[in-house]
Amino acid sequence: GENVEQHPSTLSVQEGDSAVIKCTYSDSASNYFPWYKQELGKRPQLIIDIRSNVGEKKDQRIAVTLNKTAKHFSLHITETQPEDSAVYFCAATHGNNRLAFGKGNQVVVIP
Amino acid sequence: EAQVTQNPRYLITVTGKKLTVTCSQNMNHEYMSWYRQDPGLGLRQIYYSMNVEVTDKGDVPEGYKVSRKEKRNFPLILESPSPNQTSLYFCASSPRPGTEAFFGQGTRLTVV
Repeated sequence: GENVEQHPSTLSVQEGDSAVIKCTYSDSASNYFPWYKQELGKRPQLIIDIRSNVGEKKDQRIAVTLNKTAKHFSLHITETQPEDSAVYFCAATHGNNRLAFGKGNQVVVIP
Repeated sequence: EAQVTQNPRYLITVTGKKLTVTCSQNMNHEYMSWYRQDPGLGLRQIYYSMNVEVTDKGDVPEGYKVSRKEKRNFPLILESPSPNQTSLYFCASSPRPGTEAFFGQGTRLTVV
């Protein structure tokens, strides 16, 4: 089955700096790669996603890049703010019907 | 308001006592799924459903059952709960596979 791995497991950044989280996946047929943010005690919520026919997507301070050849994709957060502190999950589709999640990254923005 | 609703939010039960966690969505989504979230393990898919009367196993289906008799509802059934099923459970729905998943509020289950 699909194996999705995230690195690093914990990331601390100074407010205003950039944060980058990388994910690797194993299924070359994967074609949809979402990122979810989960604040403490809350449900995961989609923040950005990318499909396999696109290399990069941006939404304000958040961007995702995809390298299909290397089977990895990354989340980039610029000008980090305290409200960016959360757990971030990457995911990748596998088979035709399933979504596999990584184990999550704890991002801590230090004011 | 578009939403996915799970009940109950918190549940403490004893080993072997059958329980059901309900999940309902009002977005007319075809695809629904159940995940469990455990520290250090992320979100793992238990079961999913492509449409009414169509369900299939995810990565960790052992000890769970589901049903999809109506499009909006996708209950998770634990016939004989065990302590290793203590976890945080999320239901999610999507228009179809490979699209945004909308999660419920979560159900924190403790089996003693």
